[in-house]
Amino acid sequence: AQSVSQHNHHVILSEAASLELGCNYSYGGTVNLFWYVQYPGQHLQLLLKYFSGDPLVKGIKGFEAEFIKSKFSFNLRKPSVQWSDTAEYFCAVNSPGGSQGNLIFGKGTKLSVKP
Amino acid sequence: GAGVSQSPRYKVAKRGQDVALRCDPISGHVSLFWYQQALGQGPEFLTYFQNEAQLDKSGLPSDRFFAERPEGSVSTLKIQRTQQEDSAVYLCASSLLPGNGNQPQHFGDGTRLSIL
Repeated sequence: AQSVSQHNHHVILSEAASLELGCNYSYGGTVNLFWYVQYPGQHLQLLLKYFSGDPLVKGIKGFEAEFIKSKFSFNLRKPSVQWSDTAEYFCAVNSPGGSQGNLIFGKGTKLSVKP
Repeated sequence: GAGVSQSPRYKVAKRGQDVALRCDPISGHVSLFWYQQALGQGPEFLTYFQNEAQLDKSGLPSDRFFAERPEGSVSTLKIQRTQQEDSAVYLCASSLLPGNGNQPQHFGDGTRLSIL
């Protein structure tokens, strides 16, 4: 069965620090990979996604993620965080193409950015 | 509205009561998903609709959970004889196309259910 592991439960950074959130998945076949973000009091929003092609994916708000197939990883990065990046971040996978597409989520990483 | 709308935002019920949670997906979206998010966990899949057809209910934790989408738009998740372990945030998501894992899902704000 598919599963997703997020290594950090809570990350605390100062503004302008660099960010890397780990995500590993367990699945033998082709996968789609997603990062969702949930700002305080808001709904889950798509940050970026990988389906195929260039393994370095750029998303909104300066975030990027790199798919490393050999490591089953899809880590999220941002060179310089802002206070407004304080949120919870979820990595998710599903099966591509003709599958129904339900997402398998990690437990989430809470990011707190100190001004 | 432009997004997925869920109601109520908060629901408190006594153990043993029945509850009904509503989801209004984005207009025209064929696919609808329900997820359950327990405290400190990521969302977990409950069930999937393609239009009015419930094609997958493998994630429903027990036969006390029932979902419907009779006209292919609004969906209701019903929980009968609620238990404390049902306390969670229930999320609804919709996507435009049927049965396609490449479609991004749009999430509602969720219903926070507390069972006393």
